[in-house]
Amino acid sequence: EVQLLESGGGLVQPGGSLRLSCAASISSFRSYAMNWVRQAPGKGLEWVSSISGSGVSTNYADSVKGRFTMSRDNSRNTLHLQMNSLRAEDTAVYYCTKASSSGWYAASDIWGQGTMVTVSS
Amino acid sequence: DIVMTQSPDSLSVSLGERAAINCKSSQSVVYNSNNKNYLAWYQQKPGQPPKLLIYWASTRESGVPDRFSGSGSGTDFTLTISSLQAEDVAVYYCQQYYDTPLTFGPGTRVDIK
Repeated sequence: EVQLLESGGGLVQPGGSLRLSCAASISSFRSYAMNWVRQAPGKGLEWVSSISGSGVSTNYADSVKGRFTMSRDNSRNTLHLQMNSLRAEDTAVYYCTKASSSGWYAASDIWGQGTMVTVSS
Repeated sequence: DIVMTQSPDSLSVSLGERAAINCKSSQSVVYNSNNKNYLAWYQQKPGQPPKLLIYWASTRESGVPDRFSGSGSGTDFTLTISSLQAEDVAVYYCQQYYDTPLTFGPGTRVDIK
């Protein structure tokens, strides 16, 4: 079964760091771009970042640029999001999603269950 | 950035009746080289992650019931549920994937009248 499983969420103080991971049970994982999308409590969906299938190219929302770094390990079918200098407004459920093509200009056809990140003192 | 808007904010529909949700983009999301609309629709039920329903504005994802259909082109799009079922109670989001930042509409909540 194709699935994505996020981990690494939790409570962190403002200014702190957290590393999210996403384990992908996807054949030909390297053939697909991947994304992180977040959802603040009771709010809508916000795209955070994307990475190409090869991992060479990344793209970030302005709200996280310079603070978050997305990476992937195609040998282990895993995705990571290193989050530094966290702010209260980063509090959200973070979803790992699979793009339906090798590039990120594609719909997200698979979503993980999400991992909650809470930034609070 | 491409801004996505949706209307209405919420919708109450009787079981078996038709529901229509509108989505508008601030600029065209048609890519000239392939004439495709880079527009998707997602369904999110309470406590669950979003689920892809429609991509390329009108292509139904595998396994999605045929009561769900997408239409429109350019900047104006519609998601239609032809005969609302109890399990369709959810929030529905449109998303453009024509350009980054990839952006979502604010969502439309659908429930039973």
